[in-house]
Amino acid sequence: KAGVTQTPRYLIKTRGQQVTLSCSPISGHRSVSWYQQTPGQGLQFLFEYFSETQRNKGNFPGRFSGRQFSNSRSEMNVSTLELGDSALYLCASRRGGQTDTQYFGPGTRLTVL
Amino acid sequence: QKEVEQDPGPLSVPEGAIVSLNCTYSNSAFQYFMWYRQYSRKGPELLMYTYSSGNKEDGRFTAQVDKSSKYISLFIRDSQPSDSATYLCAMASNFGNEKLTFGTGTRLTIIP
Repeated sequence: KAGVTQTPRYLIKTRGQQVTLSCSPISGHRSVSWYQQTPGQGLQFLFEYFSETQRNKGNFPGRFSGRQFSNSRSEMNVSTLELGDSALYLCASRRGGQTDTQYFGPGTRLTVL
Repeated sequence: QKEVEQDPGPLSVPEGAIVSLNCTYSNSAFQYFMWYRQYSRKGPELLMYTYSSGNKEDGRFTAQVDKSSKYISLFIRDSQPSDSATYLCAMASNFGNEKLTFGTGTRLTIIP
């Protein structure tokens, strides 16, 4: 069974640009969550999507947005990039039930110059 | 103050030693407790999860939760060089449906 895949694996952008990251969940999983991982703050929850609807949202500015498609694939967009947005962006998928485990992808390493 | 505190290490121990990793938390609503292992350039991998207080054992790994003290631990017995990784504790008040709150991670190195 294929795991969670994320593309691209590495990205370099400059301040002010925007970026779109993609996540393909495990087959049959309907929930996708996004996290930002930095050395100082660790893993921080961005948002969760379930059946194309955002169900939970963390404390990030509106520059961070996401969406989910009918095939459960998800994209995350960051507009007007800042230096502090440099991080590893992880997505995790799960079936969507109350006690389901989250399975993480390898992440997208974003560097903002 | 962060909701979940974790000693960042780094922690280095000789092969075969018992490793103890710990987290404290402040949110009384947390009911589900997890430990993830993250190798360099990889995503976190779930090792253990427990509900409420108590112990859970899986092979060389034992997870303990003490809700009265708001303290959780992960013990690794007979540590191996392949256990070298960053270990992250994570918590949720409503498992799965709610966001996971992570500790910052402890970097562990097992010295052969």
